[in-house]
Parts: sequence; structure tokens; C-alpha cells
Amino acid sequence: GQNIDQPTEMTATEGAIVQINCTYQTSGFNGLFWYQQHAGEAPTFLSYNVLDGLEEKGRFSSFLSRSKGYSYLLLKELQMKDSASYLCAPYNFNKFYFGSGTKLNVKP
Amino acid sequence: DSGVTQTPKHLITATGQRVTLRCSPRSGDLSVYWYQQSLDQGLQFLIQYYNGEERAKGNILERFSAQQFPDLHSELNLSSLELGDSALYFCASSVPGGADTQYFGPGTRLTVL
Repeated sequence: GQNIDQPTEMTATEGAIVQINCTYQTSGFNGLFWYQQHAGEAPTFLSYNVLDGLEEKGRFSSFLSRSKGYSYLLLKELQMKDSASYLCAPYNFNKFYFGSGTKLNVKP
Repeated sequence: DSGVTQTPKHLITATGQRVTLRCSPRSGDLSVYWYQQSLDQGLQFLIQYYNGEERAKGNILERFSAQQFPDLHSELNLSSLELGDSALYFCASSVPGGADTQYFGPGTRLTVL
């Protein structure tokens, strides 16, 4: 089975840094995706981690610890448009498990 | 725009009815995935097809079925519809190999009355 845990909701201020954590227990694991989803829209790909460590991509970074079943998404220099849900998705070849997502509210 | 298209955008129907949702993947993508997202819920993986063959199955009800055609477009059939089937249905596609990064279509919003 699978168990994915993310905070339900977070609030941060424009220009700040926020870290969204995800812990997971899945039967089989090959890597972990992060997706962004604005309300009523399709998810869009942000990052994919296979190996332990930090992957940086512009204002967004993602970290993975396979031994701990833990990942986080770090968003820097927050902008109002970053208000969205962030979905953690552990991946086991051909099976994708999405967490319920963390709704991030960015306020001025 | 991800390049994945889904039709229709909205669908309103009654309980007990049957509907078909259609998805065209990005050019060159062989895999198609279907997901259900109920109000304020996470994405539930339903099923994956690769080059016409079923590859993986998730939490798909027996009332639901899907197929992928030779031109790689896919259809999701939902029958004996219930109120609880009201949701956003997303299709995604990917090029297999490596990370299998998925690109999502805009979704079909199904409302069952």
C-alpha cells in the first residue's frame, strides 16, 4: 500500500521562503515527483528526484532522503502566483501515488 | 499548454447514465494515464496504457473502463454513473523511459445529477 503525508495548508508572505514537507511509505520506490496545481487546473511538473540530495531549479528546489522516506519542496522569493496546491508523488515504475497536496497561500 | 487535449471540457449527466471521455496525448508520447480528482481531494490514479496495451491499474472501479487506440488517443468509459462519480478527470501522457514525467491535459469536469 501507500501512505503519503503532507501538511494540508500553509501560508507565507510574498518574497519569503517556504518549505513543504512530504513523508511517504510506498510499496516500491523509484523516485519522487513534485507537481504544482492551481485551483481547477491541471497539475504541472516541477521536479523529479531519484537520488538523495537537493535538486535546484531556479526559485524551486527539491530534496529527497530515500532512507527516511522524506522529501521537501523549497520555494524561494515567493510570488503571489505561487499560491497553489503542491502535490508530492512517489513513483514506483508504472504506479503513481499522489498525496492530497499542500495548499499554499501567499499573502502580500 | 501541455500539448495534451481532452474533450469535452464539461459534462453534465444523470445517475445511471454512461459517458465517454476522450484524451489525445502529446505528439510522440506512447503512455496515457487517467486520474480522478474529486472536490478538494488528491489525484487518484485510475489506469495507464502504453502503446495500446494496459500497463498499470490503480483504483479503477469495475464500472469504469478505458482503452488506447492505434493512433494513441485514449477513451475512458464511465457507466452506471453515481453522484459520487462527479469529479475532474485528468489524462496525462509521457514518453517512457527515464523519469516518465507526466504532462497533464486540462481535464474534463463531470457532474452527475
